[in-house]
Amino acid sequence: SQQGEEDPQALSIQEGENATMNCSYKTSINNLQWYRQNSGRGLVHLILIRSNEREKHSGRLRVTLDTSKKSSSLLITASRAADTASYFCATPGGRGGSEKLVFGKGTKLTVNP
Amino acid sequence: DTEVTQTPKHLVMGMTNKKSLKCEQHMGHRAMYWYKQKAKKPPELMFVYSYEKLSINESVPSRFSPECPNSSLLNLHLHALQPEDSALYLCASSQDRSPGYEQYFGPGTRLTVT
Repeated sequence: SQQGEEDPQALSIQEGENATMNCSYKTSINNLQWYRQNSGRGLVHLILIRSNEREKHSGRLRVTLDTSKKSSSLLITASRAADTASYFCATPGGRGGSEKLVFGKGTKLTVNP
Repeated sequence: DTEVTQTPKHLVMGMTNKKSLKCEQHMGHRAMYWYKQKAKKPPELMFVYSYEKLSINESVPSRFSPECPNSSLLNLHLHALQPEDSALYLCASSQDRSPGYEQYFGPGTRLTVT
C-alpha cells in the first residue's frame, strides 16, 4: 500500500549547490514526514509537516506541502558532502489511511566535494 | 536519551539456527516497530507493538516471532529462516503508534542467512 513516490530516484550535485527532491502521494493525508538514511544505517527523522502547513524550515532544510497537487518537496540548501544519503518521504497509510507510516522508494543524493 | 539501540550489529545464521534480535529504547515511547529493508528499497513494516501489545502484523511468516517483554524492550526471534530473509532489520520507536508521530530508528542489524 505504497503512498509516496520520490522523484528523482537519484541526484548527483556539487558541494554548495541546492538539492531538491519531490514526493507525490495518492490519497489525502493529514501529515507527511521526511527521513534521511546514510548508507546501511538507521533512518533519521528530518521534518514533519501537517496538512494545514504549506512550508516548514529546519536549518538548511525547507519542506513544502501542496495538498491540492498531493505533493511535497524537500530542499537542501548549500549542500555538503555529509548530506550524501537516501531521503524518504513517509505518509500515513494502511487500513483507513492512518494505520501506519508508509515510506516512498526514496531519492539517493550524492554530493560531490 | 533519544537513542534506540539494536544488537547485534551483524548476524550470520544458517537456515536451521535460532537467533534473536534485540532492541531497546529509554525515551518512554509506547509504540515500537520492526522493519525489514532490502538493498536499495524503502523500509517495509513487519510488526507494531503499542503499549506492549501486538497491534499490527503485516502477514509476516511465522519464522519471525516478535516479543515485547516490557515497554523498553523489543525482540525478534528468528527460526528456520530462508536466504531471501537476508536484509537490514530496523527497530524504531515513537511516542504513539499514530503515523502523526516521528519515529526514532536504531542503527539496524545486518542479517545474512546462509
